[in-house]
Amino acid sequence: SQQGEEDPQALSIQEGENATMNCSYKTSINNLQWYRQNSGRGLVHLILIRSNEREKHSGRLRVTLDTSKKSSSLLITASRAADTASYFCATDANNQGGKLIFGQGTELSVKP
Amino acid sequence: GAVVSQHPSRVICKSGTSVKIECRSLDFQATTMFWYRQFPKQSLMLMATSNEGSKATYEQGVEKDKFLINHASLTLSTLTVTSAHPEDSSFYICTAIEDGTNYGYTFGSGTRLTVV
Repeated sequence: SQQGEEDPQALSIQEGENATMNCSYKTSINNLQWYRQNSGRGLVHLILIRSNEREKHSGRLRVTLDTSKKSSSLLITASRAADTASYFCATDANNQGGKLIFGQGTELSVKP
Repeated sequence: GAVVSQHPSRVICKSGTSVKIECRSLDFQATTMFWYRQFPKQSLMLMATSNEGSKATYEQGVEKDKFLINHASLTLSTLTVTSAHPEDSSFYICTAIEDGTNYGYTFGSGTRLTVV
């Protein structure tokens, strides 16, 4: 079953603006990961944040994790048209043998 | 970096036939691999955990006799969709965890299955 829920389901912004996507989950986790998927393609790993970390940066990406609220956010700063894709969070829950359970995803559209 | 090769990338088959999808780790060993399916505009749903040398573990609601998984070596897992029907048309994607790491997930590029 799906573990995570993401919002918004769809987000449309102009180039240069920031995009924020949120993810909530239900159980204790080892880590939470964010992935990107272009239409009809495979997944690209963006960033992993461990349960004992609160914030992580990678280039224009900033991820936060609040384990007390069981939520995470992905911020893409200074968005580009090439950032248009679907973004998924995925949780590696405790005692689940490494299974990754994906959220519903956010479809991001960045208009030039 | 770690690479997972998934073949075929696209396949069209007739109803009632079987289709085999391969997931191969090219430069690392993977005791554990996972298979997902994804319907259009939806998220990835975990189907099963593939374990080298033992039976796969299927998620609730996934028919093990319909989706046969074989993990015969540390670098290869296969998913066979048996007696395929149009409702099996979907995007299937595998991922492998590199042995010795606890977070090194590498995804294949996916297989688009269309059953006509």
